[in-house]
Amino acid sequence: SAVISQKPSRDICQRGTSLTIQCQVDSQVTMMFWYRQQPGQSLTLIATANQGSEATYESGFVIDKFPISRPNLTFSTLTVSNMSPEDSSIYLCSVAPGGTGELFFGEGSRLTVL
Amino acid sequence: KQEVTQIPAALSVPEGENLVLNCSFTDSAIYNLQWFRQDPGKGLTSLLLIQSSQREQTSGRLNASLDKSSGRSTLYIAASQPGDSATYLCAVRRNNNDMRFGAGTRLTVKP
Repeated sequence: SAVISQKPSRDICQRGTSLTIQCQVDSQVTMMFWYRQQPGQSLTLIATANQGSEATYESGFVIDKFPISRPNLTFSTLTVSNMSPEDSSIYLCSVAPGGTGELFFGEGSRLTVL
Repeated sequence: KQEVTQIPAALSVPEGENLVLNCSFTDSAIYNLQWFRQDPGKGLTSLLLIQSSQREQTSGRLNASLDKSSGRSTLYIAASQPGDSATYLCAVRRNNNDMRFGAGTRLTVKP
């Protein structure tokens, strides 16, 4: 298993600003995944962050809007840039630390953009 | 493209009832299937993981089954309790990055 800490747990932001979400894992992992969950919707993968290389973004998500850092094997950040109300979502960090492929999630960061 | 469907979207039952949540997927070439619980505004808690070679997994009052050939999984909850009220999501993995989630079933267990 894995214990994942996310900060902030929630925030209210103004349109046009940026917010950086932090994700800390209690063990070293190769890949960290960032998901978005819009209100009333299921989860959508934003990108996969590998240590030492650029993140891999899914269709519909771009680095300019969602820059990701992965400075070491236990930490990653996701920035939501130039926010609009449509960015209001829960952002979730996840990892699959063992060979089973079981996915574990942080508590999520609930973002509201006014 | 893998699509994951969960039925029903919402379910309300009295306390003590046994219940079944359904998950179907379109591509049977899966690596594993995972059931999660999500409380409002929170992250996901892993409940059960079924590898593609397995037929079912059990944890306490929960039992999950997998039928790859028909593209179906069920989550059985025995003797439901008000604390079981949450949204239950299933997710299907094809490879390291390709994990598809259903929209979830919102369960309410009434005292």
